[in-house]
Amino acid sequence: EDQVTQSPEALRLQEGESSSLNCSYTVSGLRGLFWYRQDPGKGPEFLFTLYSAGEEKEKERLKATLTKKESFLHITAPKPEDSATYLCAVPTYRDDKIIFGKGTRLHILP
Amino acid sequence: NAGVTQTPKFRVLKTGQSMTLLCAQDMNHEYMYWYRQDPGMGLRLIHYSVGEGTTAKGEVPDGYNVSRLKKQNFLLGLESAAPSQTSVYFCASSYLGGQPQHFGDGTRLSIL
Repeated sequence: EDQVTQSPEALRLQEGESSSLNCSYTVSGLRGLFWYRQDPGKGPEFLFTLYSAGEEKEKERLKATLTKKESFLHITAPKPEDSATYLCAVPTYRDDKIIFGKGTRLHILP
Repeated sequence: NAGVTQTPKFRVLKTGQSMTLLCAQDMNHEYMYWYRQDPGMGLRLIHYSVGEGTTAKGEVPDGYNVSRLKKQNFLLGLESAAPSQTSVYFCASSYLGGQPQHFGDGTRLSIL
């Protein structure tokens, strides 16, 4: 069964304290892995697509990496405005759907 | 360029009432999706469409109906609302299946 699991569920960091969020996946034939950011009261906002193991993508203080079993979202020297829920998702192999993880709620304290 | 627009943004219904949620996209996307998001449950797919005139069931379709009469619009209907349908509903679209989806800002629905 296709599955996406994110950890931790919640993470509190001090401003400037770097860390990583984990997304582990089980899917028959990876067609890509997506990272989204969701702010309270808003819809998920697309951040990155990763297609193959070893690939990396960067945007400001965020860097996403991919292995054959998991992806990491590294946050370097975060600021309070990086506080949000980060979602990981993978498309299923057989049909047109995307499976989302339950997300990691990130809170950056000033 | 508005992207994905959902109306209404908020709604309160009584049990047994009906309503329709509207989703409109201006990106000429073929695929459109309806999700519900509940605390601790993540995003769950209700119904989706792979093109104008098509619909298909997702993970939690019971109690909902959908229609895609025009390519740019995807409607979600609740025929007889139940308290278990209290949730935040998101519409999303993508050019093709399996590609990153673009989301609206949601409809917050409460059923009393």
